[in-house]
Amino acid sequence: SQKIEQNSEALNIQEGKTATLTCNYTNYSPAYLQWYRQDPGRGPVFLLLIRENEKEKRKERLKVTFDTTLKQSLFHITASQPADSATYLCALDAGGTSYGKLTFGQGTILTVHP
Amino acid sequence: GAVVSQHPSRVICKSGTSVKIECRSLDFQATTMFWYRQFPKKSLMLMATSNEGSKATYEQGVEKDKFLINHASLTLSTLTVTSAHPEDSSFYICSARSYRGSSEKLFFGSGTQLSVL
Repeated sequence: SQKIEQNSEALNIQEGKTATLTCNYTNYSPAYLQWYRQDPGRGPVFLLLIRENEKEKRKERLKVTFDTTLKQSLFHITASQPADSATYLCALDAGGTSYGKLTFGQGTILTVHP
Repeated sequence: GAVVSQHPSRVICKSGTSVKIECRSLDFQATTMFWYRQFPKKSLMLMATSNEGSKATYEQGVEKDKFLINHASLTLSTLTVTSAHPEDSSFYICSARSYRGSSEKLFFGSGTQLSVL
C-alpha cells in the first residue's frame, strides 16, 4: 500500500538557520508533490508544487527538491524566522483526473526559536 | 486570489444529531471538491471526492450513509454528518479544484472543528 513519511515529528532550530524537512514515500509514482503549511485549528495553506520531471523549485526563502529515484523530497526554509513555526505537510498527487486527491504525510512541527 | 469558504468553523452538538458543513468556492467554479478529516496531531485523511451533479466517491472505510455529500452547484459542496457520535469528533477540511488558464489549482477551506458531546 502507499506510504508517505515525514522524517521527524518535530524539528527545533534557531532563528536565521536553515530548516530542512524530509518526505519519503513508497509504492507510489506521483505526478506532483506538494508542500503545505498548517497552523493550529486552520486548513492547510499551499506553499510549493513540484512535478515529477522537476528536480528543484524555489519561491522566496523556500526550496523544494524532488528525487523520484530515491522517492524523496526535501523542503528547505532559509533564514528561518519565528513566524515560520507551524506544521509542514507534504502531499502526493497522482495528477490527471485524480489531480487534487492528495495523500498527506503526518507532518513535521517546526519551531523556530528567537 | 481564489478563496474557499468553509462554514461553520466550529460546531458543538449532542450525540445523535446531524451536522451540516458547507464548502463554497467564492470566485471560481469547482466541479470537483474533496473532503478530509484530521484527528489531533494526525495527518489529513481523504474521505471522499465530491463531483458536481453526480454522486460522491468515497474512500475505503468511509461510510457513505454516515457522511452524506451533496454537490448541487458549481460553487457549493456540503458534508452532513448524520447521527453524530463522539467518535465523529474531528477537524473536517474541504478543498476545491479550480481550472485557470492552462493549469489547475487547488484551494483549501479553513476547516470545521466538530465536537460531539
